[in-house]
Amino acid sequence: DGGITQSPKYLFRKEGQNVTLSCEQNLNHDAMYWYRQDPGQGLRLIYYSQIVNDFQKGDIAEGYSVSREKKESFPLTVTSAQKNPTAFYLCASSGVGRGISATNEKLFFGSGTQLSVL
Amino acid sequence: AQSVTQPDIHITVSEGASLELRCNYSYGATPYLFWYVQSPGQGLQLLLKYFSGDTLVQGIKGFEAEFKRSQSSFNLRKPSVHWSDAAEYFCAVGANRDDKIIFGKGTRLHILP
Repeated sequence: DGGITQSPKYLFRKEGQNVTLSCEQNLNHDAMYWYRQDPGQGLRLIYYSQIVNDFQKGDIAEGYSVSREKKESFPLTVTSAQKNPTAFYLCASSGVGRGISATNEKLFFGSGTQLSVL
Repeated sequence: AQSVTQPDIHITVSEGASLELRCNYSYGATPYLFWYVQSPGQGLQLLLKYFSGDTLVQGIKGFEAEFKRSQSSFNLRKPSVHWSDAAEYFCAVGANRDDKIIFGKGTRLHILP
């Protein structure tokens, strides 16, 4: 079945440690997104990528980094510079051939990764 | 830049009653608009979307939404709610010049038996 896979489901970070959240999709989508969800804050956009080897900062990119070396993969690294990393992280993708604005598509979401600080 | 406001953090309705969840957006051009639903600890499921055309959009699970450009609104409605509708609902807006999708803070729906 086609879909988006996020791993791990739960992740723990020690102080000063970088951790990487995985997001893989087999939907042949061009656009991929990372959102952070905190209670009462909704979903806030961290980074998004419209094509391979290109990505843009969202509203809360500080303390995070991404790469888009392959179409299927969009890993998110939470760096030690992110002082409040505890949150639920959601990956999404959209758009075959082009992005959501051109394809009248929707966002497909993964099931999320809960990151906590030890 | 686009933005979304969901004015109600919590809404409580009785089972069988009608529902309206409010969503207001800010965007200079015609936006793309979405409503998603989320159960606890899960990803998001699309209820409906508006890109163009008919301003009254029908979605899954008996939901509908109406795009009102003059009010910059995209409110979600359901004529009769079921206990299984209890969840968190998110409105989102997309820009047509890029693929940036911004979400509101969500409205948590509680259903009274």
